[in-house]
Amino acid sequence: GDSVTQMEGPVTLSEEAFLTINCTYTATGYPSLFWYVQYPGEGLQLLLKATKADDKGSNKGFEATYRKETTSFHLEKGSVQVSDSAVYFCALSDFSGYSTLTFGKGTMLLVSP
Amino acid sequence: EPEVTQTPSHQVTQMGQEVILRCVPISNHLYFYWYRQILGQKVEFLVSFYNNEISEKSEIFDDQFSVERPDGSNFTLKIRSTKLEDSAMYFCASSEDTSRQYFGPGTRLTVL
Repeated sequence: GDSVTQMEGPVTLSEEAFLTINCTYTATGYPSLFWYVQYPGEGLQLLLKATKADDKGSNKGFEATYRKETTSFHLEKGSVQVSDSAVYFCALSDFSGYSTLTFGKGTMLLVSP
Repeated sequence: EPEVTQTPSHQVTQMGQEVILRCVPISNHLYFYWYRQILGQKVEFLVSFYNNEISEKSEIFDDQFSVERPDGSNFTLKIRSTKLEDSAMYFCASSEDTSRQYFGPGTRLTVL
């Protein structure tokens, strides 16, 4: 079945550092890929998405490119801020049926001033 | 922006008791979902609900679980007889179509 693997956390960075959170997936067909973010005490919020190979999703300075050849969707940001501290979830949907999401375990990001 | 809300934020119960987790989806949404995350593990799909019936469910969603949309605004998840292994964060989500799901903040269920 479908699965998502993302790097273990926590990832600890200083403000303005470069961020990469790795995500790889296994799926039949051509899924859509997502990054969700969860700030403390809040729900999962969609950060960005890509629906086909080579698409780049971007939002709030974060980017991820759908790489079919490496089955990856790594999240990057050039300069993190303290306010980016949160848990980041990689997910996929194959849009069969009612588009249930398959998530990774989540990666906690801690950014210090 | 409209939000999905969930109550309570934290529920503590004794093993064998029934619990009902409540969600208020975004008002014009038609598709509703429950997911859960056991501490340290992945967020897992439980069930989806559309047109007043279950549309998909996972292997986790056995006879101990049920969902209901009792009044056109709430969407509830009932666990009939809780087990220790039901302790998890439960997330409700809703969507207008199947392209994007909006999640609530979650209910942390602790079974003692």
